Amino acid sequence: AQTVTQSQPEMSVQEAETVTLSCTYDTSESDYYLFWYKQPPSRQMILVIRQEAYKQQNATENRFSVNFQKAAKSFSLKISDSQLGDAAMYFCAANSGYALNFGKGTSLLVTP
Amino acid sequence: DSGVTQTPKHLITATGQRVTLRCSPRSGDLSVYWYQQSLDQGLQFLIQYYNGEERAKGNILERFSAQQFPDLHSELNLSSLELGDSALYFCASSDEGDTEAFFGQGTRLTVV
Repeated sequence: AQTVTQSQPEMSVQEAETVTLSCTYDTSESDYYLFWYKQPPSRQMILVIRQEAYKQQNATENRFSVNFQKAAKSFSLKISDSQLGDAAMYFCAANSGYALNFGKGTSLLVTP
Repeated sequence: DSGVTQTPKHLITATGQRVTLRCSPRSGDLSVYWYQQSLDQGLQFLIQYYNGEERAKGNILERFSAQQFPDLHSELNLSSLELGDSALYFCASSDEGDTEAFFGQGTRLTVV
């Protein structure tokens, strides 16, 4: 079984600044995928970024990047040049072949 | 637009009643997942179907059941509804690789 832990219930960042959201996971699988999903007030679940565990290179999508530390089972999300539209709940998730297991989420507030 | 369609968007019903939520996956996706998101909670995995067969079960109550039809759409049946069943129910689909999941917009169920 997998467990995903997000230790920051809330985070705040100023517009144009950088923020890092933390995530740790526990799995006995050797092959798995990690994801960050964004859930804005509309409640739609939007995939932000994904990382294959067998890849050492950290995934990057525009202003979003991850710091994947496989040995430490850590998967943090860095948002650069934060924008007001980044305000949302962010969920970390892990998948080893069946369903995605989600953390409880981090609420990100972006202030002008 | 993720390509996953859920109906209805909103549902209000009384305790003790039974409802059916419907999901049409993305074209070509064989896997369908159901998740429950209670107020201020993360997403709880309920059940997964793959090409018509149940593949994985999560925290699904005995009062709940699901199925996937030959055309790959899925239905989640919730019976003997209780106030605590009020939640946002998401359907997601993925391709044969079972990696990332694409989410529908959810059905908001309110039990009164």
